[in-house]
Amino acid sequence: GQSLEQPSEVTAVEGAIVQINCTYQTSGFYGLSWYQQHDGGAPTFLSYNGLDGLEETGRFSSFLSRSDSYGYLLLQELQMKDSASYFCAVKAGYSTLTFGKGTMLLVSP
Amino acid sequence: SQTIHQWPATLVQPVGSPLSLECTVEGTSNPNLYWYRQAAGRGLQLLFYSVGIGQISSEVPQNLSASRPQDRQFILSSKKLLLSDSGFYLCAWVSGSAGELFFGEGSRLTVL
Repeated sequence: GQSLEQPSEVTAVEGAIVQINCTYQTSGFYGLSWYQQHDGGAPTFLSYNGLDGLEETGRFSSFLSRSDSYGYLLLQELQMKDSASYFCAVKAGYSTLTFGKGTMLLVSP
Repeated sequence: SQTIHQWPATLVQPVGSPLSLECTVEGTSNPNLYWYRQAAGRGLQLLFYSVGIGQISSEVPQNLSASRPQDRQFILSSKKLLLSDSGFYLCAWVSGSAGELFFGEGSRLTVL
């Protein structure tokens, strides 16, 4: 099976940088994804890392180290609208994606 | 463009009653479809996935079942709901080599 660990909650202020870590245990690893979910809404895809290294998409970046079974999501220039839950997810097979329990990010003024 | 719709959006059901949640995808053919459940304040639990008509894989044993009567339709059902079935049910389809999931709006179920 697969298991993922991420912090339950992170707080930061507007304009700051925050890093959300994710460690995983799985077999047949294909890649690590990140999703954002605002309260009451459905998750939306943010990024995917299939290979080691950093992927950048605007203010958000995601990093993967396959040898360490570790990844992180980096959010820069935080805005109030970034307050949401963030999930890492492991693609460990052709058809399925296993999610972590999520990290709630609270951005304050 | 591809869209995914779920209904109903919200429902309140008594324990022991039946359930039917529907999911329809438009703008794509032969999609891989998924049902996830999210309990309050928790992560997403994969319940079922389907790679084609009539093909259902169950990830978690429970009193729920799924069916795929048409290529772009995925249904989640139960004959008798339990209190523990309460949650936010999300249908999704996958696109691209990254396995990016596109979720529907979700169906929020409260079992009383």
